[in-house]
Amino acid sequence: QKEVEQNSGPLSVPEGAIASLNCTYSDRGSQSFFWYRQYSGKSPELIMFIYSNGDKEDGRFTAQLNKASQYVSLLIRDSQPSDSATYLCAVKRGSGGTSYGKLTFGQGTILTVHP
Amino acid sequence: ETGVTQTPRHLVMGMTNKKSLKCEQHLGHNAMYWYKQSAKKPLELMFVYSLEERVENNSVPSRFSPECPNSSHLFLHLHTLQPEDSALYLCASSQGGNQPQHFGDGTRLSIL
Repeated sequence: QKEVEQNSGPLSVPEGAIASLNCTYSDRGSQSFFWYRQYSGKSPELIMFIYSNGDKEDGRFTAQLNKASQYVSLLIRDSQPSDSATYLCAVKRGSGGTSYGKLTFGQGTILTVHP
Repeated sequence: ETGVTQTPRHLVMGMTNKKSLKCEQHLGHNAMYWYKQSAKKPLELMFVYSLEERVENNSVPSRFSPECPNSSHLFLHLHTLQPEDSALYLCASSQGGNQPQHFGDGTRLSIL
């Protein structure tokens, strides 16, 4: 079982729709969760991070975390063609010790928003 | 502009060469990281530095040698690399080990 799993896609949505990206993780000790966007040939760019169960909203983006189900998702409202990219889910175990700074990434979901 | 600058952007080297990748962060962070990104594989953490001390070496072969002379600079020294080492090498920084990491633009490395 992979430590962080994402559907590789591609996920195709029409412009203006809601894109829903999902991520599951295996380590119950995970405490911090991050979503990055990566355009082709570019580096990952931080979009959202979430530490507590529930929803966190920032503009068109909403991150949702359910630690009991070991599930984190990213919703993109009013999707635009410029949102077309690979979305990476990253998970970090609790603070300190051997887990210091240790992010585990999923393989990423390719999102395509078509006009 | 991410605040994390990597040079060179592209590097082609033979298996017997020695080269170095450089990373500089302008964000005032105290932790820096090297990652490897290969095609169709998740980002792999290679090394973690906190306050210039290495705190993680993620089972990386000794042909990769990191160096962190201060909290703003990070190097990855390369020698006797293999073709499977061809990948995008990304540097990142953060304020502490729990805060979000910010990535540089990467060095695209090709081993002939």
